[in-house]
Amino acid sequence: EAGVAQSPRYKIIEKRQSVAFWCNPISGHATLYWYQQILGQGPKLLIQFQNNGVVDDSQLPKDRFSAERLKGVDSTLKIQPAKLEDSAVYLCASSLSSNQPQHFGDGTRLSIL
Amino acid sequence: AQSVTQPDIHITVSEGASLELRCNYSYGATPYLFWYVQSPGQGLQLLLKYFSGDTLVQGIKGFEAEFKRSQSSFNLRKPSVHWSDAAEYFCAVGALTGFQKLVFGTGTRLLVSP
Repeated sequence: EAGVAQSPRYKIIEKRQSVAFWCNPISGHATLYWYQQILGQGPKLLIQFQNNGVVDDSQLPKDRFSAERLKGVDSTLKIQPAKLEDSAVYLCASSLSSNQPQHFGDGTRLSIL
Repeated sequence: AQSVTQPDIHITVSEGASLELRCNYSYGATPYLFWYVQSPGQGLQLLLKYFSGDTLVQGIKGFEAEFKRSQSSFNLRKPSVHWSDAAEYFCAVGALTGFQKLVFGTGTRLLVSP
């Protein structure tokens, strides 16, 4: 089966600019996750969707980050405006249901200048 | 809230030698436990998981892990390391009920020497 697809793989922007990441989960996976992985740390959950509804966004910096999952399939994560501390790898994961193992994409590496 | 500690930031093992990576978790109920591996520039790949039952779980690539409730540990082992095992390893704990929320440790980087 095809894995979780993410694009772009790399993005370089200046601070205060905006950026968007795209994720296409494994077909049929109801649950989708966005993680932020700062260099030298483990992934940190930003937001979790069950179909097209948000289950958990408690760690999403809502003043600058937003995410949506229209039609319960693809998802986009946006940062506006970006700050230097947003430099990280943004990982998307999906699972068949909320209590099944998560499958990860290769991530988008974001560098803020 | 759950938490995970991986006390070793780096470990160097000779090729062919055995490996044990440590993981300690904190969670008030029975946890889901996972080990993931991450190669440079790639996402995380699931090695193995523990939900319930047999406390010794087998995973892919010859890895195994043992859940010890009394020690709150879930250490990863491999009897003979290959050079291709060099990567970052993450332990994660999730809640057993409700919507799964994984909390990851900070990772252990495995270096394999010839």
